[in-house]
Amino acid sequence: GEDVEQSLFLSVREGDSSVINCTYTDSSSTYLYWYKQEPGAGLQLLTYIFSNMDMKQDQRLTVLLNKKDKHLSLRIADTQTGDSAIYFCAEPKGGFQKLVFGTGTRLLVSP
Amino acid sequence: ETGVTQTPRHLVMGMTNKKSLKCEQHLGHNAMYWYKQSAKKPLELMFVYSLEERVENNSVPSRFSPECPNSSHLFLHLHTLQPEDSALYLCASSPGAGEGFMNTEAFFGQGTRLTVV
Repeated sequence: GEDVEQSLFLSVREGDSSVINCTYTDSSSTYLYWYKQEPGAGLQLLTYIFSNMDMKQDQRLTVLLNKKDKHLSLRIADTQTGDSAIYFCAEPKGGFQKLVFGTGTRLLVSP
Repeated sequence: ETGVTQTPRHLVMGMTNKKSLKCEQHLGHNAMYWYKQSAKKPLELMFVYSLEERVENNSVPSRFSPECPNSSHLFLHLHTLQPEDSALYLCASSPGAGEGFMNTEAFFGQGTRLTVV
């Protein structure tokens, strides 16, 4: 496909794990990114993974990369209410390496 | 605080007005971007500047006019906008310039919430 795709919505209870999925488009992408957007704010880089890795862990965050299927996922362990936000995956594209973003997944964490 | 500052945070303008959005970064980055985020569409890349030269214009209507006077500042000049242009306009910067730069980590400003009435 031409677009970076994500499911639109995910709802979990506090303390559960959240898994947000993304399908990207370019198998030659060098880095893949996860950004977080809290209400009324801009985007903040959460984590990224280099394309020669299949997993990266950073505290409560685990990124899994399946290059064959062009599938990226973000797992948040012990999800907290403060994790409620929109999560975007992004891949670089074009000669000047601009970022193309997915549709965003809205994560709602209930107490 | 990401090091990218946008002003104003909120803007209401009439369809006949002319206004400008400002973005400033002091991160020493070489590339700057304007994105549009609306309720109906994901983040849409509007313009890319690399080393103060416009390198991409994604079919954006001429009522949006970008300006990059130096590597730290980026403007978006607005005139005769339409109500459907109401959106969150996000500025970002990244270290990279030119083809082959590997790390495109982007730092975003807080955005300007634009309402066209």
